[in-house]
Amino acid sequence: AQSVTQLGSHVSVSEGALVLLRCNYSSSVPPYLFWYVQYPNQGLQLLLKYTSAATLVKGINGFEAEFKKSETSFHLTKPSAHMSDAAEYFCAVSDNTDKLIFGTGTRLQVFP
Amino acid sequence: EPEVTQTPSHQVTQMGQEVILRCVPISNHLYFYWYRQILGQKVEFLVSFYNNEISEKSEIFDDQFSVERPDGSNFTLKIRSTKLEDSAMYFCASTYDKGYTFGSGTRLTVV
Repeated sequence: AQSVTQLGSHVSVSEGALVLLRCNYSSSVPPYLFWYVQYPNQGLQLLLKYTSAATLVKGINGFEAEFKKSETSFHLTKPSAHMSDAAEYFCAVSDNTDKLIFGTGTRLQVFP
Repeated sequence: EPEVTQTPSHQVTQMGQEVILRCVPISNHLYFYWYRQILGQKVEFLVSFYNNEISEKSEIFDDQFSVERPDGSNFTLKIRSTKLEDSAMYFCASTYDKGYTFGSGTRLTVV
């Protein structure tokens, strides 16, 4: 069965610093992987998705993620954090029945 | 950009009452979903719907829950007799070929 594990329920960075949010997946089939962002009291917004094309995926707001099959990872990065990046970030995998299975989320705090 | 629309954005209901959460998926999408997120927890799959029938449901989706696509545009989630533990944010999603789009959610509070 597919699953995702997000290491670190809270991550704090200074404005301008590198953002690294970790996600490891488990999948019995070639996975489709996603990162979603949730701002307070709002819905889920797709940041980026991996669907077996390029392993380095660029998303919105300067975020990108690299699919590493050997490490079963799909970590999310952004070179320079902005205050507006403060939010909850969810990694998700699509299983072979097409539903999304979400990780437990990582809350990103950005300090000035 | 096409959106998934959910109404209402907030609903407060008394325990034991029936609620209907409404969603308008993106028009050319084929698969429809309901997910829920209890406050502070992860997003959980409830049910998927394709070709006018349930294709998969989770163990959360018991007999108190039902889904319907009553016309060509709406997709509803009904909770027959709400319990306190049904309080959560409910998200509708639709997809075509792995392009999932979520609505902004309905916050359901059962009192």
